[in-house]
Amino acid sequence: RKEVEQDPGPFNVPEGATVAFNCTYSNSASQSFFWYRQDCRKEPKLLMSVYSSGNEDGRFTAQLNRASQYISLLIRDSKLSDSATYLCVVNRDGNKLVFGAGTILRVKS
Amino acid sequence: EAGVTQFPSHSVIEKGQTVTLRCDPISGHDNLYWYRRVMGKEIKFLLHFVKESKQDESGMPNNRFLAERTGGTYSTLKVQPAELEDSGVYFCASSQVGTVGYSPLHFGNGTRLTVT
Repeated sequence: RKEVEQDPGPFNVPEGATVAFNCTYSNSASQSFFWYRQDCRKEPKLLMSVYSSGNEDGRFTAQLNRASQYISLLIRDSKLSDSATYLCVVNRDGNKLVFGAGTILRVKS
Repeated sequence: EAGVTQFPSHSVIEKGQTVTLRCDPISGHDNLYWYRRVMGKEIKFLLHFVKESKQDESGMPNNRFLAERTGGTYSTLKVQPAELEDSGVYFCASSQVGTVGYSPLHFGNGTRLTVT
């Protein structure tokens, strides 16, 4: 079993739609949680950190449920430019990041 | 501010040859990381430098891989001899503070390595 599991998708949604991605992690010792975005053939870029109380950044909302070891990302009012792969990432030991395989989002006009 | 730069962007070599990848972190970032993504798999940690010291090299797959960071500035990752399964994208990242929860990682564009 992978340490960070994501639905690979793809999620095909129309512009303006709301879409949610989920992620589960297996190691309860995980300390920090992130969503990264990766465009095709580009480097991963930090989208947002995920805090226990939940946090929002514009159209993006991230939630963390430590009891269920579950992380979510909600994107409202999807834009064409949101099309990318969304990587769920946790930090377990020291400074080592553990990546999920990613969820592909395609926003269509 | 210049970002993390990696060289080369692409490399195609034959099995058994040697390849050296280079990473220049953001100026002033003491923490430097190597990650890689092999075909169809998730991005995986290789190792972490703090300045010139290897803090964690638990992700290095075997002794064909050698990472160095002499002087605590740029880093090199050498693969010798290369095998087919080494093909993938090698990412370098740097951060200012050592605790990833407090300081985001900045990734370079990656080196796409193809071993034929």
